[in-house]
Amino acid sequence: EIVMTQSPATLSVSPGERATLSCRASQTVGSNLAWFQQKPGQSPRLLIYGVSTRATGVPARFSGSDSGTEFTLTISSLQSEDFAIYYCHQYSFWPLTFGGGTKLEIK
Amino acid sequence: EVQLLESGGGLVQPGGSLRLSCAVSGLTFSNNAMSWVRQAPGKGLEWVSTISGTGKTTNYADSVKGRFTISRDNSKNTLFLQMNSLRAEDTAIYYCAKGVSAYSSLVDFWGQGTLVTVSS
Repeated sequence: EIVMTQSPATLSVSPGERATLSCRASQTVGSNLAWFQQKPGQSPRLLIYGVSTRATGVPARFSGSDSGTEFTLTISSLQSEDFAIYYCHQYSFWPLTFGGGTKLEIK
Repeated sequence: EVQLLESGGGLVQPGGSLRLSCAVSGLTFSNNAMSWVRQAPGKGLEWVSTISGTGKTTNYADSVKGRFTISRDNSKNTLFLQMNSLRAEDTAIYYCAKGVSAYSSLVDFWGQGTLVTVSS
């Protein structure tokens, strides 16, 4: 099983600032890496797939990148609606796995 | 507009069974693989199972293999999850999610979920 490790568990950032969320895979997943956003009481929403492709309707302030098995989600200028929990997800190999999540909170 | 509506959740005793359904509308159902993903209270996401668009290929998490069965009825645009031998650790919100194509493991849209509570 591929283990996805996200850091930090909680990130405190002020509105308007940049947020950088990290995710490490225990082995290569190629480009089959996605990011989901989940707000309280809501189901997850796909933000990024294929490491860096934004899903339909996702603002350009969200971007994804990678360096081998290290993946990064960057939110360039935080808006109030961006404070949520973010999960990385590998869909390359069975069993599919998610990271433990990063809670992005207002500083 | 794509809609996924889960039902069938509830309270069940350990060792019991439950069948979840997910009614899908707004797309050609057989063109999409479908998955179940669960989330224990206050916890993260855990993939449970995926079925291909034709229903011929299925995959399961080790934690549910042999106890849960995923299936679909393409004539009724409905996805199912039969859950047997339920355990306390199966307590979670169960989401159905739509794959991006008939054989893709990537999901791009989720339902609102149905809560399953396993307790005596």
